[in-house]
Amino acid sequence: AQSVTQLDSQVPVFEEAPVELRCNYSSSVSVYLFWYVQYPNQGLQLLLKYLSGSTLVKGINGFEAEFNKSQTSFHLRKPSVHISDTAEYFCAVSSPGGNKLVFGAGTILRVKS
Amino acid sequence: GAGVSQSPSNKVTEKGKDVELRCDPISGHTALYWYRQSLGQGLEFLIYFQGNSAPDKSGLPSDRFSAERTGGSVSTLTIQRTQQEDSAVYLCASIWAGGLLTDTQYFGPGTRLTVL
Repeated sequence: AQSVTQLDSQVPVFEEAPVELRCNYSSSVSVYLFWYVQYPNQGLQLLLKYLSGSTLVKGINGFEAEFNKSQTSFHLRKPSVHISDTAEYFCAVSSPGGNKLVFGAGTILRVKS
Repeated sequence: GAGVSQSPSNKVTEKGKDVELRCDPISGHTALYWYRQSLGQGLEFLIYFQGNSAPDKSGLPSDRFSAERTGGSVSTLTIQRTQQEDSAVYLCASIWAGGLLTDTQYFGPGTRLTVL
């Protein structure tokens, strides 16, 4: 079975500071990895996804994530955050040919001015 | 419509009552998913529909939960004899292109269910 661990439930950070949201996964097979963002009172929106190829994946809004197979991690990073990045971020995993995503518990990013 | 829509946006019900939650996927999307998001927890997979295939019901937490998808489009999630632990946000998502997960899942805004 697959599982996802998001190590931080909340991450407070000042505006224009860098941020890293951590995600580790467990899977006995090859994986696809995703980061979704949920802004207050809105649905989930895909930030980025890793399917194959380059381990550094760039997404929307200046976010990027790096797939590290040896450490089974897929941490999300942004070099300079904005107030508007305040949201909850979910890491998710699936397997090729699988039909559902397994989500982590989410990390709330709070950007302060 | 432009995106996945869900109704109602909020539902408050009394313990023991039945509720129906509706999802309208993006037109042409072949696969539809239901998830549950409980307070402080991640999203929990409930059920998956792909075309005319039998749905994957492996995530349904009990036989009080059921779902159907009519005409390959609109889906209804039904919870019978609701319990307080059913209180959560129920999210629907749809995918194009045969339901392969290489395609993006588009999520609706969710239905917040509160069972008193």
